[in-house]
Order: sequence, then C-alpha cells, then structure tokens
Amino acid sequence: DTEVTQTPKHLVMGMTNKKSLKCEQHMGHRAMYWYKQKAKKPPELMFVYSYEKLSINESVPSRFSPECPNSSLLNLHLHALQPEDSALYLCASSPRGPKDGYTFGSGTRLTVV
Amino acid sequence: RKEVEQDPGPFNVPEGATVAFNCTYSNSASQSFFWYRQDCRKEPKLLMSVYSSGNEDGRFTAQLNRASQYISLLIRDSKLSDSATYLCVVNTNAGKSTFGDGTTLTVKP
Repeated sequence: DTEVTQTPKHLVMGMTNKKSLKCEQHMGHRAMYWYKQKAKKPPELMFVYSYEKLSINESVPSRFSPECPNSSLLNLHLHALQPEDSALYLCASSPRGPKDGYTFGSGTRLTVV
Repeated sequence: RKEVEQDPGPFNVPEGATVAFNCTYSNSASQSFFWYRQDCRKEPKLLMSVYSSGNEDGRFTAQLNRASQYISLLIRDSKLSDSATYLCVVNTNAGKSTFGDGTTLTVKP
C-alpha cells in the first residue's frame, strides 16, 4: 500500500459546525503532516507529527485541532471555522521527515459557508 | 525576498520541446531538495529528489548548484501529459519545507 487516504473528499460546513478530517497511511511512515492549499498557491504547512508527537505547529488558529491516535492515523478537528478557511486540506506522510520526500493524499476540499 | 523563488511562467511549449525551470533559495543551510508536479485540482506528487551530482529519470533531469543556490529541472521531448504546475521544495535541517509558488507548464500539440 503506497497511498495516503483522506476522507471526506469534499466537505461543506457552516461556521458553527464541528467536523473532522481523516487521514490514513499504511506505509510505516513515522512523520505525518497537515497542509492547507488555496487556489493557485503552494501548500502551507499547518502541523507536523513525528513519531506520533506534535513537533511543529505553524501558529495555526485553535479552531484547527490536530490529533494523531496512532502511527497510521491523523485527524484534523474543525470548529467554528471562517469562510476564509475554505481551501484544499492535504495530508502527507514521509518515512522519517521532510528530507525523505512527501506522499500526499488527494485532499479534502473544504467549503465554509 | 522569498525563501524560495520560482519563475511562475506560464511556459507554453510545443510537443517535443525541451524546457527548463529554475528555482532559487536563500537559506544556505538548506539540506534537501525536491521537484513535485501538481495537476489542476489534484495533490502534489513527488517527481524527483535533487542531488549535487545531478540525477536523471527518463526525460527528466534535476540539478543542484549549491554555490549559486539554485535547483533546476530539465524536461526533454515534452509530452502533452507533462502539462502541470511544477513545485520546487527546499528543506532545512530543522525539518521544515518551503515550497516555491510553482511554475506552470502547458505543452501544446
């Protein structure tokens, strides 16, 4: 299995909703990432988990809350989002760290209304 | 000045052409370098790692010039399917990646 699987593929949520994005990989990768990508822009790093511990939080607002239940799973909990949070949310993994290169999931396209 | 800079293009080339992209970086302590391609509304996919000795994968050649702090990607015999946005990625030893803004390539029949 050489894939990173993200669910859901599309999500529309209201500003008062709570939802979660899910990411799964079975490649034995020990680093997992959340990226946010707006149209015609490069991906922006949000969070890094290394060996299931949060190692980098790029000053992301608390309305985004990551969770790494085990080495194969990564969640992103969303609460009280704003319309400007609408974007493609990409999960990625790498064997140990960024120097190994990323495998990206196909993303969750989020629209906040 | 941005940490990683790419010519945004667009590059419009005919099939069979050779095209080259450059990407400059400002942090001399950068450790590892990659090219990714991203198709419209899809995720980025790793194309190549980039080494000082240069590396080649079929029609694609990547090169790193540490002295001048740039990486390059050369595509020979362009195919229609090469049309995409090409992102360079530069990593520091602090474990952080910086993406370039991407270069858009359109290969035309």
